[in-house]
Amino acid sequence: DAGITQSPRHKVTETGTPVTLRCHQTENHRYMYWYRQDPGHGLRLIHYSYGVKDTDKGEVSDGYSVSRSKTEDFLLTLESATSSQTSVYFCATSDTYNEQFFGPGTRLTVL
Amino acid sequence: GDSVTQMEGPVTLSEEAFLTINCTYTATGYPSLFWYVQYPGEGLQLLLKATKADDKGSNKGFEATYRKETTSFHLEKGSVQVSDSAVYFCALSEDDSGYALNFGKGTSLLVTP
Repeated sequence: DAGITQSPRHKVTETGTPVTLRCHQTENHRYMYWYRQDPGHGLRLIHYSYGVKDTDKGEVSDGYSVSRSKTEDFLLTLESATSSQTSVYFCATSDTYNEQFFGPGTRLTVL
Repeated sequence: GDSVTQMEGPVTLSEEAFLTINCTYTATGYPSLFWYVQYPGEGLQLLLKATKADDKGSNKGFEATYRKETTSFHLEKGSVQVSDSAVYFCALSEDDSGYALNFGKGTSLLVTP
């Protein structure tokens, strides 16, 4: 398995507070992704990165921003968390179109 | 845009039964197709993949064939086990979004002894 860690694994926060989730990889993969998983929706792409400082929006990017200053780290920030952002967040990495490797997920609850 | 449709669950089967989970897709180009599996409380793992038409992906007794004429990638297994209980996701990727995966909504499978 690819070495992908996510932190924190669980977080409870209040509406309106900023939140940053971290994804760290040890595989030197070029591509990194953030997805959210919600019942009845499967996984949906929030943002992705195709290299250091190169990012783009996904299907559900509103309310989220990302940064990638190093190959191994991809940060997801909720500038002002809302209850609709309560979800499980997965980071994934890949080096080609062939396979993505997923992290263990972060369960975020916004009260 | 691209999309993936897979059969609604939950699916409940007895051990050793035959499994089919239907998946169809729409895409503008020539996508790669995947089946991922998620066991309770875990992240997603790649189960199998196919990158071009008529390719057959297989792993752990599961199979799926990339059918361009019917835009389908149905997952099959001849004899399921209790340990196959999980959520199965069909997905596609194309190079126009950094190979990001476009997922179906997932099908929950429960196999009973």
